Amino acid sequence: DAGVIQSPRHEVTEMGQEVTLRCKPISGHDYLFWYRQTMMRGLELLIYFNNNVPIDDSGMPEDRFSAKMPNASFSTLKIQPSEPRDSAVYFCASSFGISGANVLTFGAGSRLTVL
Amino acid sequence: DAKTTQPTSMDCAEGRAANLPCNHSTISGNEYVYWYRQIHSQGPQYIIHGLKNNETNEMASLIITEDRKSSTLILPHATLRDTAVYYCIVRHHNAGNNRKLIWGLGTSLAVNP
Repeated sequence: DAGVIQSPRHEVTEMGQEVTLRCKPISGHDYLFWYRQTMMRGLELLIYFNNNVPIDDSGMPEDRFSAKMPNASFSTLKIQPSEPRDSAVYFCASSFGISGANVLTFGAGSRLTVL
Repeated sequence: DAKTTQPTSMDCAEGRAANLPCNHSTISGNEYVYWYRQIHSQGPQYIIHGLKNNETNEMASLIITEDRKSSTLILPHATLRDTAVYYCIVRHHNAGNNRKLIWGLGTSLAVNP
């Protein structure tokens, strides 16, 4: 398996623009997580899905952020409109089942810079 | 979830064992200890986890004290590629639908040639 695949790896955009980050989880994994990492706040869980259904979105900063998982092999995290404070590395991760609840496989991340 | 305390940074000579401590004095009986690491510019990587018995895999060993209030991750022969931030996380094994891991700041391990 190629692991968790994220795209783009780097994104530079201007304030106000829409940003879409993409993730392909490991085949067979039923949990998908979106994390954000900054120097100030460390790793923060934004939202996670189980079997394509959003379970906990309490970490989503505000209404400008939205995430979808239309099928088991694809998820998007969208920011609209983007702001400079959204600059961070966004990680997608997946895991399998109850026994693997806390064993996450992370992607390489998408580094977002909002000017 | 129990809170963990780790040293901010550590150094280790290449080829020597790296012993990374973690205190979790408020751990409850059904909480596991998980270790991840994050190499610069990469996503976090799962290393190992355990409940009360010592565990070993191809990456590392995990030693948990008898009272379970602390643990040590051991990299037996550290290489330069082991330079990373190491996170110790305490969590119920069966998390139900609460999957929020508390990452903390971790220990920044520098392996020196």
